Amino acid sequence: GQNIDQPTEMTATEGAIVQINCTYQTSGFNGLFWYQQHAGEAPTFLSYNVLDGLEEKGRFSSFLSRSKGYSYLLLKELQMKDSASYLCAVRDRNGGFKTIFGAGTRLFVKA
Amino acid sequence: ETGVTQTPRHLVMGMTNKKSLKCEQHLGHNAMYWYKQSAKKPLELMFVYNFKEQTENNSVPSRFSPECPNSSHLFLHLHTLQPEDSALYLCASSQVLPRTGELYGYTFGSGTRLTVV
Repeated sequence: GQNIDQPTEMTATEGAIVQINCTYQTSGFNGLFWYQQHAGEAPTFLSYNVLDGLEEKGRFSSFLSRSKGYSYLLLKELQMKDSASYLCAVRDRNGGFKTIFGAGTRLFVKA
Repeated sequence: ETGVTQTPRHLVMGMTNKKSLKCEQHLGHNAMYWYKQSAKKPLELMFVYNFKEQTENNSVPSRFSPECPNSSHLFLHLHTLQPEDSALYLCASSQVLPRTGELYGYTFGSGTRLTVV
């Protein structure tokens, strides 16, 4: 089966850097996604990693280590609007590319 | 309209009612999904339609019945629900490549907030 773990909540200060970790266990890893979800809104796609290494996209970066079953999302120059839940999701090629979501990390950005 | 549109945004129904949730995508994607999101729990995959064919039914009770008449539309028919079925129901779509899956993640609709009384 699959298992995805990420911290429940994190708090950081405006302008700072925060790293949200995600560990996973899956038998047929085929990609890892990060989504952002503001309260009361739909999740929106942030990043996709399928090979080891760092993918940078503006203030957001995502890292993957397949051998360790580990990813992190790095948010730089935090803004108040970054307060949201961040969902880690793993796609498994077994069973037809099913994507399983973690419970999400609620990030609070304070002034 | 663009993206993924879900209606209604909010729905309150009794346990004996029959209602339907509607999802429409304008992205030309070939796969559509229903997810259930309950408070403080992970998104739960309910149904997957790939090229209009149901490829996944994630042990969902029969009181939930999906319908996908074409690649742009997806319905979730609800019948004799229970209070524990109250949740946010999210529709998503993606473009699935034959050998690699989707490369750009899902596009989600805004969801239907369902309350069963």
